[in-house]
Amino acid sequence: QQPVQSPQAVILREGEDAVINCSSSKALYSVHWYRQKHGEAPVFLMILLKGGEQKGHEKISASFNEKKQQSSLYLTASQLSYSGTYFCGTEIIPDSWGKLQFGAGTQVVVTP
Amino acid sequence: EAGVTQFPSHSVIEKGQTVTLRCDPISGHDNLYWYRRVMGKEIKFLLHFVKESKQDESGMPNNRFLAERTGGTYSTLKVQPAELEDSGVYFCASSLLPGDTEAFFGQGTRLTVV
Repeated sequence: QQPVQSPQAVILREGEDAVINCSSSKALYSVHWYRQKHGEAPVFLMILLKGGEQKGHEKISASFNEKKQQSSLYLTASQLSYSGTYFCGTEIIPDSWGKLQFGAGTQVVVTP
Repeated sequence: EAGVTQFPSHSVIEKGQTVTLRCDPISGHDNLYWYRRVMGKEIKFLLHFVKESKQDESGMPNNRFLAERTGGTYSTLKVQPAELEDSGVYFCASSLLPGDTEAFFGQGTRLTVV
């Protein structure tokens, strides 16, 4: 039931782009993206809902392919501050009361 | 406004001992969740409180784990007796509404059972 994230890790130079994918074998109602820096709390980035609605930070972009049950997070023109571990959390049904199934995370390292 | 706070940040205990983790959610957040990440794997759901009631405790691994949320404010997660496989990072999160809304996470408690 846990979603699968790919890649497991990515190293970027400042200014480069990257895509993180989150795939589920179950039909998804929503996908939540979080970023965690070492030793800190995971920080909310975005929610994507079935039907196309998005809630989140303007500078982060993501997509939700309902047919493939997959979400992708786009890191564009990466900055050093983008480094961290990115987690996707999925809700399978709308009445799951916020219970999220998380992926194993994608570690992103942005170098100067 | 204070975020979600967890105590302690680290705990090292011996197998068989008892440990109690505490989570203080954001004031006014009725929904409180406990999650656990073991050995760099997925963050797994443990349970969900709505105020003082357990809405969903399907993720609790066994009866050595006991969660409480007295008065609908802070929550505790007790592990008794602790086993080696209980090691990991325990996260608490809170939200104003359940579901399609941002959940605020604490920094986690790193539990090491030796």
